[in-house]
Amino acid sequence: GAVVSQHPSRVICKSGTSVKIECRSLDFQATTMFWYRQFPKKSLMLMATSNEGSKATYEQGVEKDKFLINHASLTLSTLTVTSAHPEDSSFYICSARDSLVAGAHTQYFGPGTRLTVL
Amino acid sequence: DAKTTQPPSMDCAEGRAANLPCNHSTISGNEYVYWYRQIHSQGPQYIIHGLKNNETNEMASLIITEDRKSSTLILPHATLRDTAVYYCIVGRSGNTPLVFGKGTRLSVIA
Repeated sequence: GAVVSQHPSRVICKSGTSVKIECRSLDFQATTMFWYRQFPKKSLMLMATSNEGSKATYEQGVEKDKFLINHASLTLSTLTVTSAHPEDSSFYICSARDSLVAGAHTQYFGPGTRLTVL
Repeated sequence: DAKTTQPPSMDCAEGRAANLPCNHSTISGNEYVYWYRQIHSQGPQYIIHGLKNNETNEMASLIITEDRKSSTLILPHATLRDTAVYYCIVGRSGNTPLVFGKGTRLSVIA
């Protein structure tokens, strides 16, 4: 089946620094990718929709200047958490559907990135 | 907001069928029912989806009521590795993201 990878799998950083998380579709093209955040024992919360070659669409309450999204190619989207603070510590998960399959149903998820801000 | 209602938790004996219910009374005509599961600290895994007909694959069966207002995911022979949070999601195909509810935490007990 299709695979979505994320890098790094876990990262620890100091408060005030920026962290970049990569999301790659390994064997399919994705003009659209989705970023989610998950706090402990909570469900996934959609943060934004990443669009290849254009601006991301952010969900209500998600700061676009804090969570920078770049989707520079059909297989790569990046999420940069800028000036990270302890409250940004969370599990970040990306996902995508195969753009070449019309009306594709299966949304493939990456393994997640655990961010800890000290 | 999520459009589905699921029980917060369920237990199932190993080897028995696990039947996970989901209510989606506000589902619209062009929306599908998707089921995903998430094992601890991993990304969600696709299980199955359906529109109005019952569906079966190697992982599970999906039974959708005739009025489409509810559905049941059936794991025919649950194993310990099926312990996970199961999410029932109503949504569309294509570039529309899935919106997760709270899911059901299934515990398979030996």
